[in-house]
Order: sequence, then structure tokens, then C-alpha cells
Amino acid sequence: EIVLTQSPGTLSLSPGERATLSCRASQSVSSSYLAWYQQKPGQAPRLLIYGASSRATGIPDRFSGSGSGTDFTLTISRLEPEDFAVYYCQQYGSSPGLTFGGGTKVEIK
Amino acid sequence: EVQLVESGGGLVQPGGSLRLSCAASGFTFSSYWMHWVRQAPGKGLVWVSRINSDGSSTSYADSVKGRFTISRDNAKNTLYLQMNSLRAEDTAVYYCARGSKTVEYWGQGTLVTVSS
Repeated sequence: EIVLTQSPGTLSLSPGERATLSCRASQSVSSSYLAWYQQKPGQAPRLLIYGASSRATGIPDRFSGSGSGTDFTLTISRLEPEDFAVYYCQQYGSSPGLTFGGGTKVEIK
Repeated sequence: EVQLVESGGGLVQPGGSLRLSCAASGFTFSSYWMHWVRQAPGKGLVWVSRINSDGSSTSYADSVKGRFTISRDNAKNTLYLQMNSLRAEDTAVYYCARGSKTVEYWGQGTLVTVSS
């Protein structure tokens, strides 16, 4: 079973700064099946990035994804006030199904 | 507009049962895989189960295998999760989600609390 480890656990930044979030897999993951989600308090998650680097519909271009193999990155180029949230990476494998990372909280410094 | 609306959550005693429903609209329900994902209070997302588009194939997390059953009624555009032998650790918000390898859409979730 693949384990996804996200770092850091919490990222304290100011609006306008760049955020770099890491997702590391315990074994190689198909880039086609690596996604990122954003979740705000009291809300359902929202798909940001799929296929490691493709933005979902309606996602601003300040969000970008990259990586391959076991190391993936979500970058927010300039943080807007609405971007402060928790971010999860996710991979799909035949067993057991979807696997989520533990999340990175991006908080206002 | 894609909509997923969960219902059926509530307070149940340990060992009890509950059936969650997810009403889908705004898309051709019978064409998509569906998942249940849960989130314990203050914790991260955990995948629970998935079902393929015609209901012929299902998969479960080890933590719920043998206790939970996922099913769907494509004529009613509805996804279900039958939860038996509930434990305190099953307490969570349960999300219905559309997608196969990636979750494209999420419902707003329904809270299940297992407590005496």
C-alpha cells in the first residue's frame, strides 16, 4: 500500500508570498493518478490539480502542480486571502483505492 | 450543474447500523464511478469505498471491509453506503464523491456519530 507524506504540516505565510507544498510517495506513483485538493473549514474538498500538473476547471493559474515518481509539488505563486486552507494530495492505485496524504495547512502569518 | 446530496447521517450506538444515501443530479450518474470518503473531526481525508459505474465491482478500505456495503441504483441516481457493526472510530463526516482515479466532485457530507 502506497503512503503519501505531505510536508510541511503547517505553512505560515503572508498574502502575496509563494507557497510550496510537498507530497512524497512511499513508492512510485503514476503521474496520471496524482491529484491535489483544497479544503476550507466547514466545506467539502475541491479538486485543484489532476494528472499531477493539469488545473481543474475554474482553478486560477496561480496554482500549479509538478513532479513525478515519488516527489510531487503544489505551488501557489502569490497567495490570495482565499487560498489559506488545508491542501491534500491523493493518488489512485488498484489496491486499496484512493490514498490521501495527511494534509498541509496554509495559514496566515 | 453537478450536485451530490448526502443524507442518512446521525447519532447511533456502537454496534448499530445506518444507511447513507447520496442523491446525484446534473450528470449521467450511470456513467461514473463513485466513492465514499470520510473525515473524522479535525482529521484528514480517508477513502472508504468505491463502486464502478454499473455496480458490478466494489472495493473497500481494510478498516470497513466486512462491515460496510456500497451499492447504487442507477434508475434512481442514488448511491448508498450500508454501515453495520459501527464503532466509535467510524465517527466522521461522510462524503459522496464522483470520479474514478480522481475525485472531480464532492457532496457537502453527512455527519455520522457513533456514541452511547
